Amino acid sequence: DAKTTQPTSMDCAEGRAANLPCNHSTISGNEYVYWYRQIHSQGPQYIIHGLKNNETNEMASLIITEDRKSSTLILPHATLRDTAVYYCIVRADLYNNNDMRFGAGTRLTVKP
Amino acid sequence: DTEVTQTPKHLVMGMTNKKSLKCEQHMGHRAMYWYKQKAKKPPELMFVYSYEKLSINESVPSRFSPECPNSSLLNLHLHALQPEDSALYLCASSQGVGLYEQYFGPGTRLTVT
Repeated sequence: DAKTTQPTSMDCAEGRAANLPCNHSTISGNEYVYWYRQIHSQGPQYIIHGLKNNETNEMASLIITEDRKSSTLILPHATLRDTAVYYCIVRADLYNNNDMRFGAGTRLTVKP
Repeated sequence: DTEVTQTPKHLVMGMTNKKSLKCEQHMGHRAMYWYKQKAKKPPELMFVYSYEKLSINESVPSRFSPECPNSSLLNLHLHALQPEDSALYLCASSQGVGLYEQYFGPGTRLTVT
């Protein structure tokens, strides 16, 4: 699976959009971009995933660049409860691929 | 029910003890996972069970012994651990093999004295 690079930490004001970038310049054509987050003292939580089109669900939006070398997770109206470590993970669409590797992630702090 | 439960929440054990961590899910998922997470680090994959068979072992020391008695239950047997094994142990499950979303439990915080 391709390696990802994320900023170590970011701050965001409550009520504003949080934009979390992820670089995955070596991504292959069959690799998906996944985002998980981990709130303090909890297990990681799935947020969203995509291949090449932009995706949106009730939690977030995922914008993938046309060349697929980077992506941005957008939390449209961040709340204090969104303070967490956000992990960008690239996973290959291979049969039996149960392998998921977490990188260092971005620690997002939402401030009042 | 989209919950993965783990027991106990906290465990303190000596280096000569034998203990077990338990994980349970009732979502009908056929893949289950153990991860280890040290403080301020990302989770690291340890084991993957797919259809109750061990499919991935990330070169984990034999003092950690996983077991999957049935499709809903996953155990991690611990024996002769070292203080450096102190960590948060996370269990997860997914619908099946492939790129399914993983559901995580809250973890067991293990301290080895």
